[in-house]
Amino acid sequence: DAGVTQSPTHLIKTRGQQVTLRCSPKSGHDTVSWYQQALGQGPQFIFQYYEEEERQRGNFPDRFSGHQFPNYSSELNVNALLLGDSALYLCASSAAEYYGYTFGSGTRLTVV
Amino acid sequence: GENVEQHPSTLSVQEGDSAVIKCTYSDSASNYFPWYKQELGKGPQLIIDIRSNVGEKKDQRIAVTLNKTAKHFSLHITETQPEDSAVYFCAAKENRGSTLGRLYFGRGTQLTVWP
Repeated sequence: DAGVTQSPTHLIKTRGQQVTLRCSPKSGHDTVSWYQQALGQGPQFIFQYYEEEERQRGNFPDRFSGHQFPNYSSELNVNALLLGDSALYLCASSAAEYYGYTFGSGTRLTVV
Repeated sequence: GENVEQHPSTLSVQEGDSAVIKCTYSDSASNYFPWYKQELGKGPQLIIDIRSNVGEKKDQRIAVTLNKTAKHFSLHITETQPEDSAVYFCAAKENRGSTLGRLYFGRGTQLTVWP
């Protein structure tokens, strides 16, 4: 049973560019959340998608946007990249009647 | 919003000894408290969790205790092994229903187990 799958694993972008990260949730899961983890820090909540709608958003600017597809997979888009956006981006999925979240291995984004 | 504090930030123990990591939270409505282990280059892996209606939970060498009154919870690892070396994160989930709700993470504890 595949867990949470994220792509790509690593990415290098230039300031001002745009990036799209992808996530396939664990089989049976219908909710996807995105987290940003800076080096040496705990993950910070970006937003959560359920039934193809953004249900909750953390303290991140509008440059961060997302989407959930009918098959529950999700994308995270970041526009106008800043150096400070360099981080590990984690996708976590969960399912109804289940409190726990399963995390993917993340996408390491480096902005130069 | 919720605020989760985690201590210590680093912990070194001898193989076979016990390790304890402590976390406090601020929102008394938080209802789910997972612990994650993160190895270098990998995503967080759930190792044990506890819901707010339970005081203690154990899974082999790992246990978690929750004190709702004091708003703190702890991870206990007994008979530590070198492969336990990793960064451990505690988290608290806000109460918005079973699936909807964000996790608030502590800053992590780097555990090193010396052979």
